[in-house]
Amino acid sequence: KNEVEQSPQNLTAQEGEFITINCSYSVGISALHWLQQHPGGGIVSLFMLSSGKKKHGRLIATINIQEKHSSLHITASHPRDSAVYICAVGNTDKLIFGTGTRLQVFP
Amino acid sequence: KAGVTQTPRYLIKTRGQQVTLSCSPISGHRSVSWYQQTPGQGLQFLFEYFSETQRNKGNFPGRFSGRQFSNSRSEMNVSTLELGDSALYLCASSWTGTRLYEQYFGPGTRLTVT
Repeated sequence: KNEVEQSPQNLTAQEGEFITINCSYSVGISALHWLQQHPGGGIVSLFMLSSGKKKHGRLIATINIQEKHSSLHITASHPRDSAVYICAVGNTDKLIFGTGTRLQVFP
Repeated sequence: KAGVTQTPRYLIKTRGQQVTLSCSPISGHRSVSWYQQTPGQGLQFLFEYFSETQRNKGNFPGRFSGRQFSNSRSEMNVSTLELGDSALYLCASSWTGTRLYEQYFGPGTRLTVT
């Protein structure tokens, strides 16, 4: 079993829909990161959180430390949100990555 | 502020050769981490350098090595290349490390081994 599990693996949505991507982990962490990877490979850090909730524009990330679970929400999704979303946990001094969720948003 | 830069962006090598990849972190960042991304294994941690010292290492063979210079620039080297080393190699910099600070990723070096 992977130390970081993401679901779903693939997600298709219509523009405007509310999106939720889930991440569960089984190791002790100091922080959890949500990353976005566009075709071509570039990775952008969306959030780093160790408790509670953070919001940037249409993106919201939450974490429940007791349940070892985090969610990434996208409100009013747009085709430009199409990308792979990766959950990663900071464990000691390294990141352990989930396998990613491929999101496609159609107009 | 300039972002993380990696050179070269693309590289084709032959089995048995060696390769050196370079990463320049964001000015002021002292931690540089290296990652390998393949379709089969996803993203995997290679190693992290902080103030010229390797602070942590992932589960990769000794053919993978790295170093960090006094200006925080880092290089990674892969010797005796194998076909399975074909991957996107990403570096990321942060103020002090992955635990407490946001990671800033470079565009990656895509290595193809033939």
